[in-house]
This record gives sequence, C-alpha cells and structure tokens, in this order.
Amino acid sequence: AQKITQTQPGMFVQEKEAVTLDCTYDTSDPSYGLFWYKQPSSGEMIFLIYQGSYDQQNATEGRYSLNFQKARKSANLVISASQLGDSAMYFCAMRYRGGTSYGKLTFGQGTILTVHP
Amino acid sequence: NAGVTQTPKFRVLKTGQSMTLLCAQDMNHEYMYWYRQDPGMGLRLIHYSVGEGTTAKGEVPDGYNVSRLKKQNFLLGLESAAPSQTSVYFCASSWDSLTGRTDTQYFGPGTRLTVL
Repeated sequence: AQKITQTQPGMFVQEKEAVTLDCTYDTSDPSYGLFWYKQPSSGEMIFLIYQGSYDQQNATEGRYSLNFQKARKSANLVISASQLGDSAMYFCAMRYRGGTSYGKLTFGQGTILTVHP
Repeated sequence: NAGVTQTPKFRVLKTGQSMTLLCAQDMNHEYMYWYRQDPGMGLRLIHYSVGEGTTAKGEVPDGYNVSRLKKQNFLLGLESAAPSQTSVYFCASSWDSLTGRTDTQYFGPGTRLTVL
C-alpha cells in the first residue's frame, strides 16, 4: 500500500526567504509520480509541481522546486523567495503509474505554511 | 474553458436526507474522481470512474453512490446523510497517459457539506 507522510503540521517563513516542506513516501512500486498541491484559504486545490520516479532531474516550476531523493523516499518542496501569497496549506501526493492505477492519488495530511512580512 | 466545476458550493442537510453533488469537466478527460477532505487530514478517495458508464470504489466508499452516464459528468449521491459525512467534497479529472507529465489531476472548487 502507498503512504505519504508530511511531518510538519505548520511552518513559518519570513517573506523573501526560502522554505522547505517535507514529504516522505512509502511504496514498493518502481513507477510512480509525486505531486505537490497548494490549497489557499479559499479552498481550491492548485497543482504546483510533478516528479516522475524515473525522471533524472529534479522538477522545477518557477519558484517551486522538488528535491527528489529516491533512495530516501523523500520529495521535499522548496519554495524560493517566499511571498505573502504563498501562505496556504500544501499537500504532497503520490500515484502509482501502473496500468491499474487509473491516476488515483494518495495524499499526505498537509503542511500549513505561514509567510510573515 | 471552465475546467472542473462543482454544484452546489455549499449545502446543509438534516440527518437522513439525500442529495446529489454534480461534477462537470470540459477537458474531455477520461478519468474522474470524488474525494472528501476532513479537518487535519488530506484528501481521501471516495469513488472514481475510468470512463463513461464505469465506476469503482475508492478508499472510503461507504454511504456514497456515484454515476457516470456522460463522459463530462460525475455524480456523487448520498442516499441517507449522516453527520459523519460533514466534509468538503472535491471532484477531479485527469487523463492517464502513462507517458509523460500529462496525468495531472485537475480539481474543482469543492462543495462544503454540513449534515446536522
């Protein structure tokens, strides 16, 4: 069974500084994908970044980067130059990429990020 | 292109009442999903569909039924609502290519349901 663990219930960061949100996962499948979603106070789920298990390089999307350490089964999200608008709940999620997965996601419990001015 | 939409956005039910949540997507996605989100927890999969006319159980299916009569719509039904079903419900859709980064799930805005 797949499992996602986010051990930081809450994180605080000063505006313009970088912050790392932790995510570890557990799976025996060799082919999988890892996602990060942002959920602001308005409630919608916003896709941020994706990393495939066979991708050679760490994924980057603007100020977001994913620090993928396959041997450690970790997929930490790094947000550079934090902005006040980054204050939100962040979810790590995983999906098995096998033929019967049908794209189903397993989510972690989330980390609340607060950016201070 | 509206993406994924959900109706209603808010609903209050009394215990034992029934209701249907509607999810619609205009991206021609094959796969659709219903999740629930409870305080302090991530999203949990209720039911999903891999195509028109198909449905399957997810992690927490009890007390819910679904239907996918049209490719663009995925309905979630509560036949006899219980207070334990108070939650925020999210619909999502995707197309599983298995070949690249095109399998991202796109989420609707959510429905906040309260069962008294």
